[in-house]
Amino acid sequence: DTGVSQDPRHKITKRGQNVTFRCDPISEHNRLYWYRQTLGQGPEFLTYFQNEAQLEKSRLLSDRFSAERPKGSFSTLEIQRTEQGDSAMYLCASSLTSVETQYFGPGTRLLVL
Amino acid sequence: EDQVTQSPEALRLQEGESSSLNCSYTVSGLRGLFWYRQDPGKGPEFLFTLYSAGEEKEKERLKATLTKKESFLHITAPKPEDSATYLCAVVNFNKFYFGSGTKLNVKP
Repeated sequence: DTGVSQDPRHKITKRGQNVTFRCDPISEHNRLYWYRQTLGQGPEFLTYFQNEAQLEKSRLLSDRFSAERPKGSFSTLEIQRTEQGDSAMYLCASSLTSVETQYFGPGTRLLVL
Repeated sequence: EDQVTQSPEALRLQEGESSSLNCSYTVSGLRGLFWYRQDPGKGPEFLFTLYSAGEEKEKERLKATLTKKESFLHITAPKPEDSATYLCAVVNFNKFYFGSGTKLNVKP
């Protein structure tokens, strides 16, 4: 399978704990995006990478959130000191260029108790 | 303000009853419009890309069209397996803007 993969698929954590999600994009794609999606809403942009450079971060991405893409391959999204409001589906997508189709992974569903 | 609005929010159809979903946008510098299908608990699945007004794309029972201000996703003779949320997204320069989706339920 050469699609976008995400790990883990589900994560349950207690408030205040740190969590880290991983995304492996389609291998030749330079762009990698992170989104957050809550029930009944469309995906909300969080941040994106062009190769290893993080080029833009949404206002939604508070200082508790950090993302990396070392060597322009896989990416990680870390949430520190999780809050109940962080409960959501976290989606990763990749594309060849800025205007090409984004292909999404299956998502990581986070539940903060 | 850049915005994407989808209507209706929810749509219930009988199997075989054709209909259309709407996506209207106010985005400066539109570079492309995308339709995705999303099943519960899964990531969005790509359906179509449209780049210019007048463009149309078809796939099985689905047909997407684009004007300067909106796009339609026409569903002809839908089947229960077409039940899903359909998301519209537009891109300008570097960012994708998603609508909230239309939740389609097709009853047998």
